[in-house]
Amino acid sequence: RKEVEQDPGPFNVPEGATVAFNCTYSNSASQSFFWYRQDCRKEPKLLMSVYSSGNEDGRFTAQLNRASQYISLLIRDSKLSDSATYLCVVNNGANNLFFGTGTRLTVIP
Amino acid sequence: SQTIHQWPATLVQPVGSPLSLECTVEGTSNPNLYWYRQAAGRGLQLLFYSVGIGQISSEVPQNLSASRPQDRQFILSSKKLLLSDSGFYLCAWSFASGNTIYFGEGSWLTVV
Repeated sequence: RKEVEQDPGPFNVPEGATVAFNCTYSNSASQSFFWYRQDCRKEPKLLMSVYSSGNEDGRFTAQLNRASQYISLLIRDSKLSDSATYLCVVNNGANNLFFGTGTRLTVIP
Repeated sequence: SQTIHQWPATLVQPVGSPLSLECTVEGTSNPNLYWYRQAAGRGLQLLFYSVGIGQISSEVPQNLSASRPQDRQFILSSKKLLLSDSGFYLCAWSFASGNTIYFGEGSWLTVV
């Protein structure tokens, strides 16, 4: 079983739509969780950390469900500039950082 | 603020040729340093990480090697490239006590 699993998509949504991605992880002792954004042929960039109580940054909301071992990312009012691949990342400590293969989002005009 | 820079950005190398990718970090001391590879349609694979000068941990067996000659310099090398070495190579850093990593711009390697 993979450490981190994501639906690869693609998710094609119209501008202004709300879209949600989920990611599951296998290690119940995982310590830290993140969402990264990766544009085509570019490096991944940190979008947001995911906190136990859930957290919001503008149109982006991240949630963690430890009991079910998944994290989610919700994007409200999608913009064309949100088109990218979103990577789920789980840190099990001691340099054990695991990346999902990413979920591809395309926002359509 | 901290910055990370890696080069070259793109390169095309023949099979059997050597490789050297370099990465430097500015604005911090004693960072953890990492080399990742991202093959087409696949996730990021950790190749090497380093917690200090001369300290290298290898995650996967391969014909690549890494070195850290200075605190903020990390080098990825190969003596003889294989076709399967093609991919997107990313250098990254984190604070020694941190759990968030930050990536360089990446290097696209095509082995022909």
